[in-house]
Amino acid sequence: GQQLNQSPQSMFIQEGEDVSMNCTSSSIFNTWLWYKQDPGEGPVLLIALYKAGELTSNGRLTAQFGITRKDSFLNISASIPSDVGIYFCAEHNAGNMLTFGGGTRLMVKP
Amino acid sequence: ETGVTQSPTHLIKTRGQQVTLRCSSQSGHNTVSWYQQALGQGPQFIFQYYREEENGRGNFPPRFSGLQFPNYSSELNVNALELDDSALYLCASSQVLTNYGYTFGSGTRLTVV
Repeated sequence: GQQLNQSPQSMFIQEGEDVSMNCTSSSIFNTWLWYKQDPGEGPVLLIALYKAGELTSNGRLTAQFGITRKDSFLNISASIPSDVGIYFCAEHNAGNMLTFGGGTRLMVKP
Repeated sequence: ETGVTQSPTHLIKTRGQQVTLRCSSQSGHNTVSWYQQALGQGPQFIFQYYREEENGRGNFPPRFSGLQFPNYSSELNVNALELDDSALYLCASSQVLTNYGYTFGSGTRLTVV
């Protein structure tokens, strides 16, 4: 089956720094989704991407759908303590299922 | 508008036992999906229910089964529990044919000892 590889697995950054994480796939995707999961909660959708090359922002978050349709990145600018959590990329496929990557754990030092 | 609620929040079961987890979907949503999230990993799709029937299934054995009720709520049943079934079980509701409009509950943490 298809695999989603996220990197880095974890990041420990200083408050105010910018963050970049990415996701690669073994196959071509039609949709890239980015979720955030806080401790003790379910994932919450941050950004959805539908077209190759698409660049979308949501506040301090920016995500892009790679031209090859096999990768995506998520950037967070000027990180704050509440950005702490696990960030997942995911794809929604024709089988009505979401396939998630392994996640990037973000820790922010005040 | 209420979100997705799951019960119980935590439970501990013994290997070989059976367990039932429950999920109430978000108002206006008619589809429920279940995911298993092992510690340190991303959620994995178990199955989806629409119109009270299974509408897609991931790579999980038949001892994982489900139900959807007329009010769109759902149950996940796991028989013959194994230690590896210990995980966070997430329920997500949506409208059918959505591309991204899944609302997740906070999950049920199942520990099998």
